[in-house]
Amino acid sequence: NAGVTQTPKFQVLKTGQSMTLQCAQDMNHEYMSWYRQDPGMGLRLIHYSVGAGITDQGEVPNGYNVSRSTTEDFPLRLLSAAPSQTSVYFCASSYTPPSLAIQNYEQYFGPGTRLTVT
Amino acid sequence: RKEVEQDPGPFNVPEGATVAFNCTYSNSASQSFFWYRQDCRKEPKLLMSVYSSGNEDGRFTAQLNRASQYISLLIRDSKLSDSATYLCVVTNTGNQFYFGTGTSLTVIP
Repeated sequence: NAGVTQTPKFQVLKTGQSMTLQCAQDMNHEYMSWYRQDPGMGLRLIHYSVGAGITDQGEVPNGYNVSRSTTEDFPLRLLSAAPSQTSVYFCASSYTPPSLAIQNYEQYFGPGTRLTVT
Repeated sequence: RKEVEQDPGPFNVPEGATVAFNCTYSNSASQSFFWYRQDCRKEPKLLMSVYSSGNEDGRFTAQLNRASQYISLLIRDSKLSDSATYLCVVTNTGNQFYFGTGTSLTVIP
């Protein structure tokens, strides 16, 4: 299994440009999520999905869109990039949503995308 | 108020030392608890889940105190390879994982 894959690894955007960060997992996990990690802030949840066709907002959703048309893929779209979106973005997946878990199911993370917006 | 709070450190300890990290959570309904490890410029990886009765994995011991709403991680006989950032993670009745900001550990030769 490849686990959780993310592309690209690095990206530089100009203010106002749009782009899509790709995330895929081959573990048949129902739950997928996107985080951003900034110095001193920890990982903050952007959007998450509990299954194909279902998405919801996390702590910092503004400026980002997601969709979940298949179990495997969960792309994150930046609508109009701003310097404040400069960050490291991690995609993660888990076998089941936390609310349905009868045991502690861990999240598996992708390697991250380092995004710089100038 | 943040869901999860951790002392950011840094903790600098000599090889062979014992070090402990604490993490507090604000929601008494929190359900699942984890410690993750993150190496520099890498993704977080699960170190261990934390169970109500406490659990041990080799040199690592995790404890949960629901009454005081904190979890702890104890590392015995520290190795150079333990140098990393340790993240405390909790879930509550929703569908979100909440991460602490992490505690930095450097083990010194």
